[in-house]
Amino acid sequence: QVQLQQWGAGLLKPSETLSLTCGVSGGSLSIYYWIWIRQSPVKGLEWIGEINHSGSTDYNASLKSRVTISVDTSKNQFSLNLSSLTAADTAVYYCARRLSLWGEAFDIWGQGTVVTVSS
Amino acid sequence: QSALTQPRSVSGSPGQSVTISCTGTSSDVGGYNYVSWYQQHPGKAPKVIIYAVSKRPPGVPDRFSGSKSGNTASLTISGLQAEDEADYYCCSYAGSYSSFVFGTETKVTVL
Repeated sequence: QVQLQQWGAGLLKPSETLSLTCGVSGGSLSIYYWIWIRQSPVKGLEWIGEINHSGSTDYNASLKSRVTISVDTSKNQFSLNLSSLTAADTAVYYCARRLSLWGEAFDIWGQGTVVTVSS
Repeated sequence: QSALTQPRSVSGSPGQSVTISCTGTSSDVGGYNYVSWYQQHPGKAPKVIIYAVSKRPPGVPDRFSGSKSGNTASLTISGLQAEDEADYYCCSYAGSYSSFVFGTETKVTVL
């Protein structure tokens, strides 16, 4: 059974860069798209972007200038970098898997990481 | 890309039915049959309960059902149970530049 375990720093200062990693256990990165989503009281759930096993990415247009998603197939993990942080980036960040067989739904989620941006 | 519009809250007594609407545009909900619904309990990650407008993943009770008409998708919970009290979100594919857009939160209360 595929599981996602995510990790990374949760308290950051304005202008810093957020780095989170999501490890995939019980399955391969192949075939699927791997997603980053965030959730805040102000904006609700927000799709950040995605990557597949070959490194093809797609980003939310509103975040595109600050986001980089990468994949490391040798470690079976993928990562999120979000630069130039502001308080508006404070949110719970989730990694997830997108399943084409299920109409592009997000069928598996990580446990979430609370990220606070504060000086 | 604006968030899809959901009611802020709905409520019902055990055994009753409630319906949550999810209104978008022809660029998202109306343009694709890639609407999914998620249930989220406090402190937990969202869980998919409906995908491709009306299909249920294995293990999801059949009291959850989904449909779509035009630019509006709907989630109906029939035979409401106490454990259905949670937050619910819709999500739709929205094309190349926005890819996926979520709905605003709907809090379901079981009276």
